[in-house]
Amino acid sequence: QGQLVQSGAEVKKPGASVRVSCKASGYTFTSYDINWVRQATGQGLEWMGWMNPNNGNTGYAQKFQGRVTMTRNTSISTAYMELSSLRSEDTAVYYCARVVGWFDPWGQGTLVIVSS
Amino acid sequence: EIVLTQSPGTLSLSPGERATLSCRASQSVSSSYLAWYQQKPGQAPRLLIYEASNRATGIPDRISGSGSGTDFSLTISRLEPEDFAVYYCHQYGSSPITFGQGTRLEIK
Repeated sequence: QGQLVQSGAEVKKPGASVRVSCKASGYTFTSYDINWVRQATGQGLEWMGWMNPNNGNTGYAQKFQGRVTMTRNTSISTAYMELSSLRSEDTAVYYCARVVGWFDPWGQGTLVIVSS
Repeated sequence: EIVLTQSPGTLSLSPGERATLSCRASQSVSSSYLAWYQQKPGQAPRLLIYEASNRATGIPDRISGSGSGTDFSLTISRLEPEDFAVYYCHQYGSSPITFGQGTRLEIK
């Protein structure tokens, strides 16, 4: 069935970077894209981009171009999302999700707080 | 970009009642590549429906999806207490991927 487990909460200062990890288990990591979605408190879901774990190809939402980088380490079945130049508006829960067309499963989410 | 508009924003119903949630797209969603998710407080979204009308594994048959083109709906035939949550539609047929803004289903 598959499972995604994300790293723990982070508190960052404005201007810093954050890296969130997403470890896959229960399926072949390189067989499915991983997408990242974020959700500010009380708000809806915002798609950030995708990564193909097999070849490392990526595609980012225009809003995040130049600030987001998605990578992977296939030896440990883990995907990463790094967001730079953080500002208060980036405070949100960040989710990874396996893509089968639709998103399933999702990671449990990682809270990133940006505060001075 | 395909904009998904969900209605109503909030739906207040009682257990046992029927719920119908709507998701309207600004352009046709190719090949009915539309999914529905349920999200409860403090939890990640959970897949309910994919390709507009296919139930995900473990989803009871009182939950169903329908529609094509620009108009889609999610129906819960008899509400159970665990159904009260926020529901999102999601189109994955065109880039960029987009989500609706959500419908909150609350207990009346």
